[in-house]
Amino acid sequence: QKEVEQNSGPLSVPEGAIASLNCTYSDRGSQSFFWYRQYSGKSPELIMFIYSNGDKEDGRFTAQLNKASQYVSLLIRDSQPSDSATYLCAVADAGNMLTFGGGTRLMVKP
Amino acid sequence: GAVVSQHPSWVICKSGTSVKIECRSLDFQATTMFWYRQFPKQSLMLMATSNEGSKATYEQGVEKDKFLINHASLTLSTLTVTSAHPEDSSFYICSAPRLAGVAEQFFGPGTRLTVL
Repeated sequence: QKEVEQNSGPLSVPEGAIASLNCTYSDRGSQSFFWYRQYSGKSPELIMFIYSNGDKEDGRFTAQLNKASQYVSLLIRDSQPSDSATYLCAVADAGNMLTFGGGTRLMVKP
Repeated sequence: GAVVSQHPSWVICKSGTSVKIECRSLDFQATTMFWYRQFPKQSLMLMATSNEGSKATYEQGVEKDKFLINHASLTLSTLTVTSAHPEDSSFYICSAPRLAGVAEQFFGPGTRLTVL
């Protein structure tokens, strides 16, 4: 059984701070890793994906991957109230099937 | 980015009726589409993989005779919830890979099903 674990939160950060979201996965054969943002009542929206160990930056978002530790994280710099949402970590196997974590609810307070 | 649409956005039906949900890829072809279900405050659970031109692949515990999937063309997959009951009330979301063989998926806006 492939598992993707996330702290359900809520993670509360003040506006302008860095939000750090973490995810661990059980399948060492996992190939690619995704972060989705989901607002309440809406479907998930892809934020970032990462395939290789290390950091990948896109604007205010940085994804970090450590395959040895089976750990992937998402950093959000200069957090805004509009970033308040549930963030879903998803892990793809060699067959490109996604397994989602339970999501972390982020609250950015003005 | 790639666009995936779903219809209807929401539906309310009586127990025992069947409901069809459509998923379309608007600007790309998708030989594979995925159907997920999400209950309140829970994560997405994959129900089945829809394959154009062949039978869908269902996840363990998902009744294939209750959730009928038809991938009629390279841009359309349908999910029919047959004889719906209140416990089938959920948020149903489809997705499609941006490119064949790529894990990155784009999600439709979802369909909120309420069975009375």
